[in-house]
Amino acid sequence: KAGVTQTPRYLIKTRGQQVTLSCSPISGHRSVSWYQQTPGQGLQFLFEYFSETQRNKGNFPGRFSGRQFSNSRSEMNVSTLELGDSALYLCASSKGPPWEQYFGPGTRLTVT
Amino acid sequence: QKEVEQNSGPLSVPEGAIASLNCTYSDRGSQSFFWYRQYSGKSPELIMSIYSNGDKEDGRFTAQLNKASQYVSLLIRDSQPSDSATYLCAVRGNTPLVFGKGTRLSVIA
Repeated sequence: KAGVTQTPRYLIKTRGQQVTLSCSPISGHRSVSWYQQTPGQGLQFLFEYFSETQRNKGNFPGRFSGRQFSNSRSEMNVSTLELGDSALYLCASSKGPPWEQYFGPGTRLTVT
Repeated sequence: QKEVEQNSGPLSVPEGAIASLNCTYSDRGSQSFFWYRQYSGKSPELIMSIYSNGDKEDGRFTAQLNKASQYVSLLIRDSQPSDSATYLCAVRGNTPLVFGKGTRLSVIA
């Protein structure tokens, strides 16, 4: 069974630009969660979607948004990029309760 | 604020020894508990899940849960150099998965 895929794997953007990251979950998984990982803060929760509905949202500014499509694929958008947005963005998929999550390889975003 | 605490390490153990990794959590309503392994430059990999008090064994790994003490642990028997990684504890109740900052394990050959 194919794992979680994320595109692109690496991205370099400049301050003020926007970016869209994509995630395809494991086949049959209806939930997708997004995380930001930085060396200082560890894994920080961004969003959780289940069957196209946002179930939970983390403490990130409104510049961070996401959505999930009917085929369970998900996208995350960050507008007006800041230097502090440089991080590894991870997507994880789950069937649902009890919420075992499986991570994709991540997208490494660098903002210059 | 739901919190998950782990000793950051590094925890150094000799090859063949038992590595013991510990985690405490603040939300008494937590129901699902997970251990992830993350190699440097890679994404987290789920290695154990546990939902009820007691021990759960899978190969060289044993997860232990004590809900009364709000404590989860992971034991790695016969530790190998390939086990050297950061181990993340994650906890879920009625809120999204909360991760600890991880314990770095180093297995010395």
